[in-house]
Amino acid sequence: DQQVKQNSPSLSVQEGRISILNCDYTNSMFDYFLWYKKYPAEGPTFLISISSIKDKNEDGRFTVFLNKSAKHLSLHIVPSQPGDSAVYFCAASRQNAGGTSYGKLTFGQGTILTVHP
Amino acid sequence: DAGVIQSPRHEVTEMGQEVTLRCKPISGHDYLFWYRQTMMRGLELLIYFNNNVPIDDSGMPEDRFSAKMPNASFSTLKIQPSEPRDSAVYFCASSPDWGNQPQHFGDGTRLSIL
Repeated sequence: DQQVKQNSPSLSVQEGRISILNCDYTNSMFDYFLWYKKYPAEGPTFLISISSIKDKNEDGRFTVFLNKSAKHLSLHIVPSQPGDSAVYFCAASRQNAGGTSYGKLTFGQGTILTVHP
Repeated sequence: DAGVIQSPRHEVTEMGQEVTLRCKPISGHDYLFWYRQTMMRGLELLIYFNNNVPIDDSGMPEDRFSAKMPNASFSTLKIQPSEPRDSAVYFCASSPDWGNQPQHFGDGTRLSIL
């Protein structure tokens, strides 16, 4: 039962173009979503997050969009750079009814992004 | 500003041996997490601690796995006896608190059980 899915194992884009990475989730209790980037032989590094009260969050070249009705989020990277080549993981967690984050992260399988010069 | 430190980075050992993985979280972080990454199952949470107390160990695969956090700056994940199917990359992560704070990961321990 995979609650967070990244259906594209890989994505290849040209430098300067937009990269769009997608993520779907099934658990409607999830209300906090994160993207991590991972280089080989390193741990995942936090990139950007979004709470379910928002539908967009932007940080420099990175923008995350959340569509709650579709249970879908996406990460846009504009413009893409060769240094962005990495594995990108989508993750989700939920807050309990009291408002304290439950915090247990459920990860997708990851998407390998390759940005060609 | 030191990040999460894991040791060893690589471990190769024979089936049946005891394996101990170590983690030093970021100072001041109240939460510590142990993850395992495999090709089949991706990144999965094994156990997490809050203020040195285990909160949820439902991800621990079986009794051969145990984790401890004797103080705020050190945690271990032990496998005894180890089996070839335990081969994976094990990550430790820490975070200051839940309040939508992201987890910070170490660089992992690549474990190979022969």
